[in-house]
Amino acid sequence: DVKVTQSSRYLVKRTGEKVFLECVQDMDHENMFWYRQDPGLGLRLIYFSYDVKMKEKGDIPEGYSVSREKKERFSLILESASTNQTSMYLCASSLPSHSNQPQHFGDGTRLSIL
Amino acid sequence: QKEVEQDPGPLSVPEGAIVSLNCTYSNSAFQYFMWYRQYSRKGPELLMYTYSSGNKEDGRFTAQVDKSSKYISLFIRDSQPSDSATYLCAMSAVTGANNLFFGTGTRLTVIP
Repeated sequence: DVKVTQSSRYLVKRTGEKVFLECVQDMDHENMFWYRQDPGLGLRLIYFSYDVKMKEKGDIPEGYSVSREKKERFSLILESASTNQTSMYLCASSLPSHSNQPQHFGDGTRLSIL
Repeated sequence: QKEVEQDPGPLSVPEGAIVSLNCTYSNSAFQYFMWYRQYSRKGPELLMYTYSSGNKEDGRFTAQVDKSSKYISLFIRDSQPSDSATYLCAMSAVTGANNLFFGTGTRLTVIP
């Protein structure tokens, strides 16, 4: 079974702090993704990566950055946290597009910015 | 118009009922269709994955795709309280890539 692990289930931070969310997958997947999930808005893609050190912006990258130094690890960084970044953050991974395999998700990090 | 439309519910049914969950979409290029189940305070779990049109059955779950109507369904037979969750449909033209489009989810409660 695919295992995507997010380091924190719940996190509370203050406005202006730099916040790191970590994600690790154990299936040697090339693709990794960061989404945020908000009521009524569904899942929105923040950033994704298709290889080590490669990253692409998703639909809502503003205020975020990412890092992928190793294939199994994909980090989401909130450069200066703001209250509108309070949300559920979901990491996902998948094999490359040509494999015709779906994305698998971690259990999420519920982040509150005070 | 959103790429994927899904009735948010909530939907409440008695235990043992047949549940029908649906999504409509506008992009005729979509050919990979997924249903995810999300329990409260957990991440989405892949439930069903289908390619193109037709039906796929897995135990009590049946996924149905009608590309001509741009309409997909998930049927749950003999529903159980453990089926209480939010069900998300998702679809893409190419799997694994960044162009996965999600519905907003339907919240289902199965009452014992």
